[in-house]
Amino acid sequence: NAGVTQTPKFRVLKTGQSMTLLCAQDMNHEYMYWYRQDPGMGLRLIHYSVGEGTTAKGEVPDGYNVSRLKKQNFLLGLESAAPSQTSVYFCASSYSRPGIFNYGYTFGSGTRLTVV
Amino acid sequence: AQRVTQPEKLLSVFKGAPVELKCNYSYSGSPELFWYVQYSRQRLQLLLRHISRESIKGFTADLNKGETSFHLKKPFAQEEDSAMYYCALRSSNTGKLIFGQGTTLQVKP
Repeated sequence: NAGVTQTPKFRVLKTGQSMTLLCAQDMNHEYMYWYRQDPGMGLRLIHYSVGEGTTAKGEVPDGYNVSRLKKQNFLLGLESAAPSQTSVYFCASSYSRPGIFNYGYTFGSGTRLTVV
Repeated sequence: AQRVTQPEKLLSVFKGAPVELKCNYSYSGSPELFWYVQYSRQRLQLLLRHISRESIKGFTADLNKGETSFHLKKPFAQEEDSAMYYCALRSSNTGKLIFGQGTTLQVKP
């Protein structure tokens, strides 16, 4: 099925460990995004990309890095995990231009990350 | 500043009662507004967009530019409507989606 696929779905890390979350989309979307979802905070944008080879900071970028080497993939890295990064991470993608026939963002199913 | 505010963290109603989830926004320009729904531990799904003026699962939302609001309404709530609802604004300049804090709708039998 077409859509946005996130791996892994669950992960437990120890403080200081590193990991990479992978987001893959097969809809030829130009834009891709990483959000974190925390209770009472809604979804906050971490980083985003408007095209292959380009990335930009969102609202809460500290402690994260991203790469978009291929149009279909958007990677989120945690170099040294901290308990404050315990969250549910959602990837999303969209076309560059909103329009009548494009339906906003398509979200992945999320990655539940716990840092102990 | 671009901002989306959902003043209620939790809205609890009985089945068959009307529902209104509030959303106010701050944006200088012509906003594109959405409602997303997230059922328990699932991905966010687009519920509706102001541009398309549609009714999905009995829900409607009207953009009121004077009051800068985009409230979500349903005349008769169903138990299966219980979920987290997010109002979101898309910047026409950057394409970024800015979310409100979310409102949990609980429909009791």
